[in-house]
Amino acid sequence: DVKVTQSSRYLVKRTGEKVFLECVQDMDHENMFWYRQDPGLGLRLIYFSYDVKMKEKGDIPEGYSVSREKKERFSLILESASTNQTSMYLCASSLRGGNHQPQHFGDGTRLSIL
Amino acid sequence: SQQGEEDPQALSIQEGENATMNCSYKTSINNLQWYRQNSGRGLVHLILIRSNEREKHSGRLRVTLDTSKKSSSLLITASRAADTASYFCATAHGSSNTGKLIFGQGTTLQVKP
Repeated sequence: DVKVTQSSRYLVKRTGEKVFLECVQDMDHENMFWYRQDPGLGLRLIYFSYDVKMKEKGDIPEGYSVSREKKERFSLILESASTNQTSMYLCASSLRGGNHQPQHFGDGTRLSIL
Repeated sequence: SQQGEEDPQALSIQEGENATMNCSYKTSINNLQWYRQNSGRGLVHLILIRSNEREKHSGRLRVTLDTSKKSSSLLITASRAADTASYFCATAHGSSNTGKLIFGQGTTLQVKP
């Protein structure tokens, strides 16, 4: 079974801090994704990566950056955290393929910015 | 945005009843997927239906797809309290190796024992 592990379940940070959210998958998936989930807004794609060192902006990339130095690890970076970035962050991975393979999710990081 | 829309937003039923959730989307799809999310957890993939398929079954789940109406439905038969969760549809558009999906806002299902 695919395992996607997010480094923290809960995280509290202060406004202006640089915040790192880490995600590791163990099934050699090419594609990795970062979403944020807010009540009433569903899942919104922040960034995704389809290969090592490759990244593409999703629907809401402002205020975020990502890093994919190794195939199994995809990091989300909040450059200067703000209160409106308080949210549930979900990482996912999938096999590369023209048929849009199912995504496998981690359990999420609930981030609070004070 | 090509985001899908689920209907209803919330559904409350008794154990043993069937639950039906609907998803509509705006542009042509490659496939459509359904996911479940238990409270405070990540999403779990349930079933994938391709654009050339009309119906698919998996255990107590039945998914239909009507590409002419750009809609899909998820039926859970003989529901159990453990089915209480949020359910999301996700659509795949075009031929892409990135695997990008567009998620709807979800239907929250409560199954009362």
